[in-house]
Amino acid sequence: EAGVAQSPRYKIIEKRQSVAFWCNPISGHATLYWYQQILGQGPKLLIQFQNNGVVDDSQLPKDRFSAERLKGVDSTLKIQPAKLEDSAVYLCASSFYSPLDEQFFGPGTRLTVL
Amino acid sequence: AQSVTQLGSHVSVSEGALVLLRCNYSSSVPPYLFWYVQYPNQGLQLLLKYTSAATLVKGINGFEAEFKKSETSFHLTKPSAHMSDAAEYFCAVSEGTGGFKTIFGAGTRLFVKA
Repeated sequence: EAGVAQSPRYKIIEKRQSVAFWCNPISGHATLYWYQQILGQGPKLLIQFQNNGVVDDSQLPKDRFSAERLKGVDSTLKIQPAKLEDSAVYLCASSFYSPLDEQFFGPGTRLTVL
Repeated sequence: AQSVTQLGSHVSVSEGALVLLRCNYSSSVPPYLFWYVQYPNQGLQLLLKYTSAATLVKGINGFEAEFKKSETSFHLTKPSAHMSDAAEYFCAVSEGTGGFKTIFGAGTRLFVKA
């Protein structure tokens, strides 16, 4: 079974630039999550989709972050414009139905904002 | 509101010694509790989860955790540490209010000395 795929693995941009991350979850998984993991901290949930609907985006900085999950499969997370404090690892995860099921994590995208 | 506190950002044990990683949670309703592990250069993976069945939960690689409601704790243990256990460990809580959002602790890095 293929795991959660993310790209790119690394990205370096300057502040005020835009960046986008892509995630392909495990086939058949209804729920997809985007987490932000700042160095030395645990993952923080940014947004949670169930199929193509948003379940929770209470911690997503909506003035600069946006995410979509087209057709309930792949997802894209965008930051526009980036700030220095956005430097972090962005993790995508998926689970069969809900957060009570095991979440399977991708390798993450390490973003550095200069 | 739910929250997770992991006591000790770093824990060091000798190979063969007991591993004890501490986790305390706060939840207004019966929670679901998880331990995830992140090996170097790998994504997070589930070690074990508590879903209100048996209070002693066994996971992969010889780890187990005990749910203690009176102490609001879910500590992770392993009787005998192995060099391959060196990793970062995250405790997480998910509860029914708010759509089962998962909250992660800050993590504990385990070092195993030969």
